[in-house]
Amino acid sequence: DSGVTQTPKHLITATGQRVTLRCSPRSGDLSVYWYQQSLDQGLQFLIQYYNGEERAKGNILERFSAQQFPDLHSELNLSSLELGDSALYFCASSLSDGSFYEQYFGPGTRLTVT
Amino acid sequence: AQSVSQHNHHVILSEAASLELGCNYSYGGTVNLFWYVQYPGQHLQLLLKYFSGDPLVKGIKGFEAEFIKSKFSFNLRKPSVQWSDTAEYFCAVNGAGNTPLVFGKGTRLSVIA
Repeated sequence: DSGVTQTPKHLITATGQRVTLRCSPRSGDLSVYWYQQSLDQGLQFLIQYYNGEERAKGNILERFSAQQFPDLHSELNLSSLELGDSALYFCASSLSDGSFYEQYFGPGTRLTVT
Repeated sequence: AQSVSQHNHHVILSEAASLELGCNYSYGGTVNLFWYVQYPGQHLQLLLKYFSGDPLVKGIKGFEAEFIKSKFSFNLRKPSVQWSDTAEYFCAVNGAGNTPLVFGKGTRLSVIA
């Protein structure tokens, strides 16, 4: 157990819908990262938050957004869902926002868009 | 653009065989290198990491990796694999400062008795 929790574990929804994925970082960690893992693209970085502020952005679609709340949990919002958004979404957390800090990964949320 | 290549998609080994998984990266500047493992049904865990110093890095569970700067490689090795090493292995790289991790597509290792 990494100490990072993600809910829900599985999500099945229809095209065009909107979903919210939730992540609670390890106690004391200030940085939260979101990744998407798909068969064709592999594990891709989406976005990072540090202490409530957006810190780095990767290949995140405009239909996707995220935020980190004062209690440091984070939510990833996916809207106007398409079949291609079906993937495993991982959250990771680290103590701070430098490249040296180990990232601890959650168990992931498997999203299926039908 | 930064990229990581893991040339072996699926490796099948017998128990006690030696393991070497290849990882090559394309990244300008100073690099930090990582190997993560994902056991079936579990989250990604860090096996080992290289930031600087001795290019031969030892990690958990008997794994080690060697950073060869001239070859842009960071191969993972284990002298004798066990059935419990069956998992997916990911190589990743980032740079100095606060740069995102770039992952390879992973290598699935199956260890058979």
